[in-house]
Amino acid sequence: RKEVEQDPGPFNVPEGATVAFNCTYSNSASQSFFWYRQDCRKEPKLLMSVYSSGNEDGRFTAQLNRASQYISLLIRDSKLSDSATYLCVVIPYNTDKLIFGTGTRLQVFP
Amino acid sequence: DVKVTQSSRYLVKRTGEKVFLECVQDMDHENMFWYRQDPGLGLRLIYFSYDVKMKEKGDIPEGYSVSREKKERFSLILESASTNQTSMYLCASSPRDRGPGTEAFFGQGTRLTVV
Repeated sequence: RKEVEQDPGPFNVPEGATVAFNCTYSNSASQSFFWYRQDCRKEPKLLMSVYSSGNEDGRFTAQLNRASQYISLLIRDSKLSDSATYLCVVIPYNTDKLIFGTGTRLQVFP
Repeated sequence: DVKVTQSSRYLVKRTGEKVFLECVQDMDHENMFWYRQDPGLGLRLIYFSYDVKMKEKGDIPEGYSVSREKKERFSLILESASTNQTSMYLCASSPRDRGPGTEAFFGQGTRLTVV
């Protein structure tokens, strides 16, 4: 079983739609969680950290469920510019390693 | 403006060649990483370094070695390049902070083709 798993998609949604991605992780002792965004032919960049109580940044909401070992990303009012691959990242306990999921591709159409 | 710089955007090498991929960061980060990214497989960790001269194997270290003689520089070495090492290679750095404030910064990537 992979350490971090994501549905690869693609998710094709119209502008203005709400879309949600989930990511599951296998190591229950994982300590930190993130969502990164990667545009086509570009390097990944941090979108947002995921806090235990959940957190919001504009149209983006991230949630963590430690009991079920998953994190989620909700995007409201999708824009064309949201089209990208969204990468789930986990830092396991007692290490600084960043473990990436395979990514979920989002395509927003007009 | 923070920066991670990889020495080449594109490389073409022959099977059996020894290949060096260089990465330099200017943020005084303790941690540096080498990943490869392949379609459908995502980013897979090859090696990780948490300090000068310190390294840990990632998920796919076979066929690779690394060197970190200075804090700002992390080199990936393909001892004898093979066609299955054709890939996008991404270098990253991060501070030694395992909390939610940690942010990793990536280089622009090196597209390596082994022929």
